[in-house]
Amino acid sequence: GAGVSQSPSNKVTEKGKDVELRCDPISGHTALYWYRQSLGQGLEFLIYFQGNSAPDKSGLPSDRFSAERTGGSVSTLTIQRTQQEDSAVYLCASSLGGFGTYEQYFGPGTRLTVT
Amino acid sequence: AQKITQTQPGMFVQEKEAVTLDCTYDTSDPSYGLFWYKQPSSGEMIFLIYQGSYDQQNATEGRYSLNFQKARKSANLVISASQLGDSAMYFCAMRGYAGGTSYGKLTFGQGTILTVHP
Repeated sequence: GAGVSQSPSNKVTEKGKDVELRCDPISGHTALYWYRQSLGQGLEFLIYFQGNSAPDKSGLPSDRFSAERTGGSVSTLTIQRTQQEDSAVYLCASSLGGFGTYEQYFGPGTRLTVT
Repeated sequence: AQKITQTQPGMFVQEKEAVTLDCTYDTSDPSYGLFWYKQPSSGEMIFLIYQGSYDQQNATEGRYSLNFQKARKSANLVISASQLGDSAMYFCAMRGYAGGTSYGKLTFGQGTILTVHP
């Protein structure tokens, strides 16, 4: 079946602009995660959704970052007033559940470049 | 808090030989899961293998096996009969559980770049 998809694959934006990143999880997966991968910080957790609620948003770096999930499916990560340090690859993952042995399946990522 | 340490920034192996990638972890959670992912140069993260903290046997998936030593808090990945296509970045990750509350997030190590030579 279809895997996790993310759009856009690449995004170049000017400092100060807002960006929206989209994630379509695998159908039937109730858990959805956002991570960020950068050279200096490695892979960092951002936020976790179980259904439409976010029981763990401890990784969001600032209040410029927000995310929502609707219909237990698509999720959008929004970064307001982007800064150069936001440049990274943003990875979305989904799994059958947020606990147990369920592995997380990752999307191809969105490479964000803030100029 | 959870921490994953991968002390080998880079490893080299000859094709068809076995290689071990090291991973140590630290957690106070009573139970936890350990994962290994592969990230080729294309950037996709590919799940390889899972080990639960209460599993009695080491996990195996084809050419991948996980050498789990709970007392030493290590979860090394062993790749047997290396292939050129195994050249990639490998990440060790942990998911913890505490007091009935499940935490979905994975904590990742810094990764090890594996290069397989012909």
